[in-house]
Amino acid sequence: NAGVMQNPRHLVRRRGQEARLRCSPMKGHSHVYWYRQLPEEGLKFMVYLQKENIIDESGMPKERFSAEFPKEGPSILRIQQVVRGDSAAYFCASSPRDPGAGTGELFFGEGSRLTVL
Amino acid sequence: GEDVEQSLFLSVREGDSSVINCTYTDSSSTYLYWYKQEPGAGLQLLTYIFSNMDMKQDQRLTVLLNKKDKHLSLRIADTQTGDSAIYFCAVPYSSASKIIFGSGTRLSIRP
Repeated sequence: NAGVMQNPRHLVRRRGQEARLRCSPMKGHSHVYWYRQLPEEGLKFMVYLQKENIIDESGMPKERFSAEFPKEGPSILRIQQVVRGDSAAYFCASSPRDPGAGTGELFFGEGSRLTVL
Repeated sequence: GEDVEQSLFLSVREGDSSVINCTYTDSSSTYLYWYKQEPGAGLQLLTYIFSNMDMKQDQRLTVLLNKKDKHLSLRIADTQTGDSAIYFCAVPYSSASKIIFGSGTRLSIRP
């Protein structure tokens, strides 16, 4: 029973390029969350998605960042025209049920570490 | 606003108790969480407490919740080298549509 799978684990991009980070939730999980962890900082909420819907994107920067969770396939976090400040670890988490139902536990992937040169 | 605060570092001697503190500004009435992150890895749920409880004990772990002061703490008894990690407090907001994490407390163990 595979856990949350994120790829790539490490990604290097030059300023101005695009970064695409993928997240396959655990089997049976239809709720996906993206968090960003900057060096020596905590996890910052970015976006919460259910299949084909963005539920809460209050943590997403207004420009260059987008996320999707299509009916088929992984969730994608896309960063256009990357800048050095985008260098961080991006974590995906999934959950099998609505927030507030059950214990609300999130299951995390191992993260994708983006380095912008 | 949404804010969850923790101190960044804690150093304890092996065998002593570790106490990690967390304060928050608001939460929905569900569970509050402690997650553990080992080097180079994602986070794993360590323990949680329902918001109508004051205390929860689970083997070496004790969670205390003071809702009036919006204060959550995690106590690890008999701290071992394997407990070295970053510990995150996590609190649901906005009808639990998102879970806000603190900055994490890096626990280091002295021999």
